[in-house]
Amino acid sequence: QKEVEQNSGPLSVPEGAIASLNCTYSDRVSQSFFWYRQYSGKSPELIMSIYSNGDKEDGRFTAQLNKASQYVSLLIRDSQPSDSATYLCAANFGNEKLTFGTGTRLTIIP
Amino acid sequence: DVKVTQSSRYLVKRTGEKVFLECVQDMDHENMFWYRQDPGLGLRLIYFSYDVKMKEKGDIPEGYSVSREKKERFSLILESASTNQTSMYLCASSLWDGAYEQYFGPGTRLTVT
Repeated sequence: QKEVEQNSGPLSVPEGAIASLNCTYSDRVSQSFFWYRQYSGKSPELIMSIYSNGDKEDGRFTAQLNKASQYVSLLIRDSQPSDSATYLCAANFGNEKLTFGTGTRLTIIP
Repeated sequence: DVKVTQSSRYLVKRTGEKVFLECVQDMDHENMFWYRQDPGLGLRLIYFSYDVKMKEKGDIPEGYSVSREKKERFSLILESASTNQTSMYLCASSLWDGAYEQYFGPGTRLTVT
C-alpha cells in the first residue's frame, strides 16, 4: 500500500513566524508532489507542486523535496492568520491518481 | 484558470432516493475524479475516469456508480442513498501529462436523512 503520512497537528505558530509542515511517502517511484490548502468547509486548493529534489519558492511558500529520504515539506514564511487551514500533502505514484495524506491543521496565533 | 464546477453546494436527500451529483470542468482535462471527505478519514477516492466512457473503481466504490458521456462532465450516482453516505463530495480533474496536478471543484455537502 503506497502511503503519504503527515502529522495531523494541530500545529500552532505565532503570526510572523515560519510554519513548517512535513510529509513522508512510502514509495521511491513517486515523481510529483503537491501541497493543497483547505479552509474549513471548503475544497482543497493547489498551492505548490514540486517534481525535483531541492527547494521551490513561490511568494511566502517554499516546498522542499528530498527523494533519498522520501520526504517533502512546506515552509510558510511570515505566517498570517489567513494561513490557518488544513494542509494536505499528495504524491503521484506513477499513475493518474494522487495519494493524499490526512492533512495537518495549522493555526496562526495573532 | 482551471475551473471545476459542481451542480450543488448543499443537498438534502431521503434514504432510498437516487442521487445525482454532477461535475463539469472547462480545461479539456482527460482525468476526472470523485472523492468523499469525512472528518478523520481524509480524502477517499470513489471512482475516476481517464477518458469518455472509461471508468475505474477507487478505494470505496460500493453504493456508487459513475457516468462520463462527455469529456467535460463526470457524474456520480448514489443508486439508493443511505445515511452513511452523508459526506462532503469533491470532484477533481487533471491532465494526462505525467504530473497529474488535480484541481478541485467547490464540493457538495450531501446530507441523507
